[in-house]
Amino acid sequence: DAGVIQSPRHEVTEMGQEVTLRCKPISGHNSLFWYRQTMMRGLELLIYFNNNVPIDDSGMPEDRFSAKMPNASFSTLKIQPSEPRDSAVYFCASSLSPTAINQPQHFGDGTRLSIL
Amino acid sequence: SQQGEEDPQALSIQEGENATMNCSYKTSINNLQWYRQNSGRGLVHLILIRSNEREKHSGRLRVTLDTSKKSSSLLITASRAADTASYFCARIYYTGANSKLTFGKGITLSVRP
Repeated sequence: DAGVIQSPRHEVTEMGQEVTLRCKPISGHNSLFWYRQTMMRGLELLIYFNNNVPIDDSGMPEDRFSAKMPNASFSTLKIQPSEPRDSAVYFCASSLSPTAINQPQHFGDGTRLSIL
Repeated sequence: SQQGEEDPQALSIQEGENATMNCSYKTSINNLQWYRQNSGRGLVHLILIRSNEREKHSGRLRVTLDTSKKSSSLLITASRAADTASYFCARIYYTGANSKLTFGKGITLSVRP
């Protein structure tokens, strides 16, 4: 079974550039989550979608961050303009149930983002 | 933190020993999940325990939940070098029609061969 697929695995770019991270969830999963992981703050939920609809974006740090899910098999997280403090590992995860209460989340291997 | 704590932050043991990791939380939860993260990889789900359960086993893993103390423990028995990883507890909070999964900062486990 294909797991959650994220691309690119690594991204290095200069401050001010637009960054787009991509995610393909597991087929049949209805919920998709974007997380950011840093040493200082640990793993933070940025936004999650149920059935392609954004449900909770309270974790999105600021307006420079946006996320879309145009269909059930694809999502993007965009940062524009990027700043050095955005450097982190960004994870996408998906799960079966819209409520996700008793369902495990399946994570991709992340995108390691470095903003110079 | 508002969500609770995991302890210890880091644990180093000899292969064959048992590893015990603890997780506390502050508000009522619906269930609690433990995940593992190998270096450079995403998190992998290990085990889920519901709020009405007290103990659960999966292979060499044993998870307990004490709702009166708002705490959970993950025990790995007969540890192996391959168990070296970071371990996270994730607390599930029900927010009306949806739920929210909140992770701690993780526990780094090193198993020496």
